[in-house]
Amino acid sequence: DAKTTQPTSMDCAEGRAANLPCNHSTISGNEYVYWYRQIHSQGPQYIIHGLKNNETNEMASLIITEDRKSSTLILPHATLRDTAVYYCIVRLGSSNTGKLIFGQGTTLQVKP
Amino acid sequence: KAGVTQTPRYLIKTRGQQVTLSCSPISGHRSVSWYQQTPGQGLQFLFEYFSETQRNKGNFPGRFSGRQFSNSRSEMNVSTLELGDSALYLCASSLRQTVQETQYFGPGTRLLVL
Repeated sequence: DAKTTQPTSMDCAEGRAANLPCNHSTISGNEYVYWYRQIHSQGPQYIIHGLKNNETNEMASLIITEDRKSSTLILPHATLRDTAVYYCIVRLGSSNTGKLIFGQGTTLQVKP
Repeated sequence: KAGVTQTPRYLIKTRGQQVTLSCSPISGHRSVSWYQQTPGQGLQFLFEYFSETQRNKGNFPGRFSGRQFSNSRSEMNVSTLELGDSALYLCASSLRQTVQETQYFGPGTRLLVL
């Protein structure tokens, strides 16, 4: 599975968009980009995933660059409850496993 | 639909004891994975079960074991507990054992070994 690189921490003002970058320069054509977040001491929460195209759901948008070497998770209107550790994970498409390999993630602090 | 449930939520044990943790997946999900989270090592994969068979195992000693029942519920067991086993143990379930299936996590069991 490809390795991901994320900033250690980021701040965002409440009500503004939070843009969380992820670098996955070694990603291969059949690898998916998944995003999870973990609010303190709770289980990780699934946010969104994508392969090539940009994706949007009720929680967030995922923008994947054309060369697929990086992506950005966008929380359109961040609230204090979005303060969490955000994990970007690359998963092999042909793999018959649900195994997730977590990195250190980005700690997002949403400030009033 | 009810989410993934884990019992107990908190547990205190002493060194040398053994412990069994339980996980009930989302209804209809057949794949269950277990993870250990510690401040030093982060989130690490323990093992994965599908249709009562262990399909994948992480790099943990043999003291860590698990099983899955015919109703997809899963248990993990840690024998001869060590202080370093203190951690948040997380269970995740998905419909099938493929990358296209999203994994959903439970709230975890926090284990403290004294």
